[in-house]
Amino acid sequence: EAGVAQSPRYKIIEKRQSVAFWCNPISGHATLYWYQQILGQGPKLLIQFQNNGVVDDSQLPKDRFSAERLKGVDSTLKIQPAKLEDSAVYLCASRQGTGTEAFFGQGTRLTVV
Amino acid sequence: TQLLEQSPQFLSIQEGENLTVYCNSSSVFSSLQWYRQEPGEGPVLLVTVVTGGEVKKLKRLTFQFGDARKDSSLHITAAQPGDTGLYLCAGASVRGSARQLTFGSGTQLTVLP
Repeated sequence: EAGVAQSPRYKIIEKRQSVAFWCNPISGHATLYWYQQILGQGPKLLIQFQNNGVVDDSQLPKDRFSAERLKGVDSTLKIQPAKLEDSAVYLCASRQGTGTEAFFGQGTRLTVV
Repeated sequence: TQLLEQSPQFLSIQEGENLTVYCNSSSVFSSLQWYRQEPGEGPVLLVTVVTGGEVKKLKRLTFQFGDARKDSSLHITAAQPGDTGLYLCAGASVRGSARQLTFGSGTQLTVLP
C-alpha cells in the first residue's frame, strides 16, 4: 500500500514570496490533515478536511494561508506572502473515516530567508 | 484549545538505562496515541490506548493511559541507540464533526552507545 506522498521535500524562498505544497493521501482515506511543525516542537494542526470539505481550520492563519482538497483526494497548501516565522516542516496526514491511526507523509521542509 | 504537555523535553541517556516520558493534559481524550519521529520523516504510530488505566506493551516499550484519560506515560526498558528519536503523544477528541488529533510538544530522546 502506497503511503502519503508530499512534494516538494525541500523549499527555500525569500520572505514575501508565495509557495505551495502538495499532498496525495492514501487511497480511500476520507480525512486529510495539514500540520505545521517548527523545529523541536510537536506538530500543530492547520486544517482538517473530511472528503473535500473543511471541518476544522481554526488555527489556520487565513490572511496568508489557504488550502483546498480537490475532489476529496489531493490537497494543496499555499502561503502568500511568506514570513520568516513560517519556516517549518509542513506535514500532511490521512486517515480512514472510521480508523484511529493517522499516516503521515515525510513532510516539506520550508525555509524562508 | 486542548494542550498536551510532555516532559522531559530533552533526555540523553546511556545504552541500557531505563526511562519514562510523561504526557499530561487538563482535558479528557477519547484515546491517546504515541508516535516516534526520526529526522526528515513524518511521525509513525507506536500505539493507541483507549481505556482509562490501560497498559500496553510493545517489546521494551510500556505505555499507560491514566485512569481519568487525561495523561499517559511511556516507559522504555534497557534503551538502545535505535530508540533515539522524537517521541510525541497525541490526544484524540471529537469537536463538532471533526475528529481532532492534538500533539504534545515532544520529547527528544538520545541514547548514547
